[in-house]
Amino acid sequence: DIVMTQTPSSQAVSAGEKVTMSCKSSQSLLYSENKKNYLAWYQQKPGQSPKLLISWASTRESGVPDRFIGSGSGTDFTLTISSVQAEDLAVYYCEQYYDTPLFGGGTKLELK
Amino acid sequence: EVQLVESGGGLVQPGRSLKLSCVASGFTFSNYGMNWIRQAPGKGLEWVAYISSGSSYIYYAETVKGRFTISRDNAKNTLYLQMTSLRSEDTALYYCARATGSSDYWGQGVMVTVSS
Repeated sequence: DIVMTQTPSSQAVSAGEKVTMSCKSSQSLLYSENKKNYLAWYQQKPGQSPKLLISWASTRESGVPDRFIGSGSGTDFTLTISSVQAEDLAVYYCEQYYDTPLFGGGTKLELK
Repeated sequence: EVQLVESGGGLVQPGRSLKLSCVASGFTFSNYGMNWIRQAPGKGLEWVAYISSGSSYIYYAETVKGRFTISRDNAKNTLYLQMTSLRSEDTALYYCARATGSSDYWGQGVMVTVSS
């Protein structure tokens, strides 16, 4: 079975700071036939449903600010927020959908 | 506008059953697979079940296999989750979500509490 590991579990940030968080899969999420990575990132703010930010490892959903950048391939993936805003304080989850869906444990962004 | 509205949650005793519903609007429901995903209080996200657009393909998490049944009625734009033999560890907020590989739209969730 695939295991998804997100680090760090929490991170204290200041507005305007660049933030990176990691998601590692125990097996490759790159499908050789279409060269796509089956990896998504979600944002969940307190009391809200998760919101899809990025699919296929690096494709931003419509309306998602371009400060959110997904990168990586195979087993190692990163979500970068180029300049954190106050409204970005949330828990971020990665999800693999190469197999039956599995979420990472999440990274909580908190205010420093 | 895509909308997913879950219902049917509540407090139920261990070992009993409950059926959740999710009514979809704003898109052609019959063209999309659907997921149920849950979140225990203060915990992360756990995928529960998937059903393809025409119900040909159905998958379950190991934690619910044999106890939960996902189904859909495309004529009613409605997704269901029949839950039996409920356990305390099934206590969670249950979301329905449109499946496009990832889950691109989510409902607000419905709370299921399993307790005596």
